[in-house]
Amino acid sequence: QVQLVQSGAEVKKPGASVKVSCQASGYTFTNFAIHWVRQAPGQGLEWMGWINAGNGYTKYSQKFQGRVTITRDTSASTAYMDLSSLTSEDTAIYYCARATGNFNYWGQGTLVTVSS
Amino acid sequence: DVQMTQSPSSLSASVGDRVTITCQASEDINTSLNWYQQKPGKAPRLLIYDASNLETGVPSRFSGSGSGTDFTFIISGLQPEDIATYYCQQYDNLLYTFGQGTKLEIK
Repeated sequence: QVQLVQSGAEVKKPGASVKVSCQASGYTFTNFAIHWVRQAPGQGLEWMGWINAGNGYTKYSQKFQGRVTITRDTSASTAYMDLSSLTSEDTAIYYCARATGNFNYWGQGTLVTVSS
Repeated sequence: DVQMTQSPSSLSASVGDRVTITCQASEDINTSLNWYQQKPGKAPRLLIYDASNLETGVPSRFSGSGSGTDFTFIISGLQPEDIATYYCQQYDNLLYTFGQGTKLEIK
């Protein structure tokens, strides 16, 4: 069965960077895109960007352009989301999701807390 | 980028009621519109894809319609387990956007 397993919770100081991983199994990794979506406490879903796991093409939300980098390691069937220059407003649960237009499989979420 | 306006932001309904949520896109997105359900502490769950297609395993009381800029999501016969927040999501020109969400409560 399709599974996306994300790395564990992180606590970071303002100005730092965080890298969250998303390991896929149960399907051919390079056949699907992986997207990243975040949710601040008590807030809605916010799309950040995606990577074509086959060719590495990326597309980012304008809001995060320049601050987010999504990469993948096909040998490990793993996608990564790197977010830099963190502020308290980046405190959120970060989800990866497999997509073909719609997000039909999701990771369990990774809580990133930004605090001094 | 395409903006999504979802309404209402919250609503209260009784078991058995018909519940309607709408989403309006800022430009024509054809039928590139999906609906999700999210319960507290859980990842979202896909319910409807491409505006009107029911995802496998989703109860038939959930339905979606629309195209272009105006979309509707309906629960026909609200059940207690439908308490959740619902989101629309569009995909157009390789960019994606979620609506603001609708928090559904039981009266």
